Amino acid sequence: VVMTQSPLSLPVTLGQPASISCRSSQSLVHSDGNTYLNWLHQRPGQSPRRLIYAVSIRDSGVPDRFSGSGSGTHFTLKISRVEAEDVGIYYCMQGSHWPPITFGQGTRLEIK
Amino acid sequence: EVQLVESGGGFIQPGGSLRLSCTASGFTLRNYWMHWVRQAPGKGLEWVSRMNSDGSYKIYADSVKGRFTISGDSAKNFLYLHMTSLRAEDTATYYCVRGRAEYSSPMGAFDIWGRGTMVTVSS
Repeated sequence: VVMTQSPLSLPVTLGQPASISCRSSQSLVHSDGNTYLNWLHQRPGQSPRRLIYAVSIRDSGVPDRFSGSGSGTHFTLKISRVEAEDVGIYYCMQGSHWPPITFGQGTRLEIK
Repeated sequence: EVQLVESGGGFIQPGGSLRLSCTASGFTLRNYWMHWVRQAPGKGLEWVSRMNSDGSYKIYADSVKGRFTISGDSAKNFLYLHMTSLRAEDTATYYCVRGRAEYSSPMGAFDIWGRGTMVTVSS
């Protein structure tokens, strides 16, 4: 399954919203009915951290300004108001059809 | 605290071998599936391998199949990645990642990542 993110670069003004799209080459609905689509955030010099799993469930400690949505082959990560700590690279990844588990190319968010 | 710590990376010549280790704290490895994921310098993430909780089922990315072996030591709570016939394109930071808990939903997978260990393959 090929995961395609857009945009690849996302300059955002502090306090403004941001949106990242992730499309898969086939539906991510698993045979069990669930959709295993995660969003990860990697700050500069750090390892990735899972933000959202199963399309829209925020991990513990993730601010509610982050939200995930979508279904089938199109998914979106939204940040309602970007803060300085949100800079870094965001990846979508799928665990519905594997091997292999696949990741998007990454979207680099920077502050304007 | 639940965490993973990798070690064993370094500088190695093409064709050489290296074993990466990953130790877990705050949870027991034998209760979870575990993954290795790598990231070449300045590049994105690439899934490498996965092992189920009792080590009976192991799968690999095509790019490493036949050269890399994932294994675990449940007594010591360690996960390993034995890498042979290393190539320049294997140069990357290697992350140990927690997968799903055995007999639990796959939704829990990829929730804990180690800090990574860097492997450089060059002559």
